[in-house]
Amino acid sequence: DGGITQSPKYLFRKEGQNVTLSCEQNLNHDAMYWYRQDPGQGLRLIYYSQIVNDFQKGDIAEGYSVSREKKESFPLTVTSAQKNPTAFYLCASSISPPVNTEAFFGQGTRLTVV
Amino acid sequence: AQSVSQHNHHVILSEAASLELGCNYSYGGTVNLFWYVQYPGQHLQLLLKYFSGDPLVKGIKGFEAEFIKSKFSFNLRKPSVQWSDTAEYFCATNSGYALNFGKGTSLLVTP
Repeated sequence: DGGITQSPKYLFRKEGQNVTLSCEQNLNHDAMYWYRQDPGQGLRLIYYSQIVNDFQKGDIAEGYSVSREKKESFPLTVTSAQKNPTAFYLCASSISPPVNTEAFFGQGTRLTVV
Repeated sequence: AQSVSQHNHHVILSEAASLELGCNYSYGGTVNLFWYVQYPGQHLQLLLKYFSGDPLVKGIKGFEAEFIKSKFSFNLRKPSVQWSDTAEYFCATNSGYALNFGKGTSLLVTP
């Protein structure tokens, strides 16, 4: 089936540790995105990538890093510099540029930092 | 960049009641408008979208939305809600490089 796979579904980490969230898509989309969802805040854009080997900061990039070495993969690292990392993280993809097209979302990863 | 404002954060309705969720966007060029829904425990999925043409857009599960350019609005409607419509609803617009989302509306439909 075509789609976006995020893993793991639930992730627990100790404060001060970096953690990497996986996102893989087989939709042949050039563009990929990471969003953070918090109650009452909607979805906020962390990073986006319109093409392989290129990515841009979104609205809340501080404390996060990404890479885009393959078209299919866009992993997100939550670093120890992120002050409030506990959240629900959503990965998405679309054709590029994302005009007159929709984005498709993965199931999400719920990260809890203790 | 375009931004999105959703007016209702929490809505509680009885089954068979009519639904209207407000969404306003700020103008920023090409207008792409979306409503996404997130059912409990499920991934975000597209309800409907507007790119151009007929301003009244019909989506899945009996939902529709009307694009009113003069009011910068894209309100979501359903004539008669069901318990299964309990979910979080997000309005979104396209900034040209990514989707910008509103803060969401949590809908609870009671039997």
